Amino acid sequence: EVQLLESGGDLVQPGGSLRLSCAGTGFTFSNYAMSWVRQAPGKGLEWVSAISGSGGNTYYADSVKGRFTISRDNSKNTLYMQMNSLRAEDTAVYYCAKARYSYGYQFDYWGQGTLVTVSS
Amino acid sequence: DIQMTQSPSTLSASVGDRVTITCRASQSISSWLAWYQQKPGKAPNLLIYKASSLESGVPSRFSGSGSGTEFTLTITSLQPDDFATYYCQQYSNYWTFGQGTKVEIK
Repeated sequence: EVQLLESGGDLVQPGGSLRLSCAGTGFTFSNYAMSWVRQAPGKGLEWVSAISGSGGNTYYADSVKGRFTISRDNSKNTLYMQMNSLRAEDTAVYYCAKARYSYGYQFDYWGQGTLVTVSS
Repeated sequence: DIQMTQSPSTLSASVGDRVTITCRASQSISSWLAWYQQKPGKAPNLLIYKASSLESGVPSRFSGSGSGTEFTLTITSLQPDDFATYYCQQYSNYWTFGQGTKVEIK
């Protein structure tokens, strides 16, 4: 059974940093691209970042480019998101998602989410 | 950037109703479209991919159609478990979600 478990969400001050983790089990982690999607309180879904299975290719939404860094450690079956220069508008539940390639990449499994709150 | 626009934003319906949600892309995305269902406090769940392909395990009352810039999600005979928010997502150029359609009880 595929499972994704996020951790690392917390309350952080504006301008601060945080690192999120997502541990994947039940599938060959290195074979799949992975992504982060966030959802601000009461709002819709926003794609944040994605990374290829090998980690060699990374992609970012304009809203986080230059501030967030996605990475993965395939030996630990873990996905990361380093978040720097955090802003109030980064407050959201952050989901990691497994990207399946079937005529393009859809997100077929999601974690339960971890809450990041940026506030003074 | 490709923008996705869903309509309506909220839909009131009764159990047994046929429900249709529309999603429009700001440029052609061929059939690179997925639909997700999300219930309060839960992660999204993939329903449809490639515009009309039903994800394994998803009830057949869900169906998708369309190509290019206009797409629809149809739920035939709405069930109590279907009251939720639905999102379309393009994956032609990176990924973009629509703003969501909340299906609520009439």
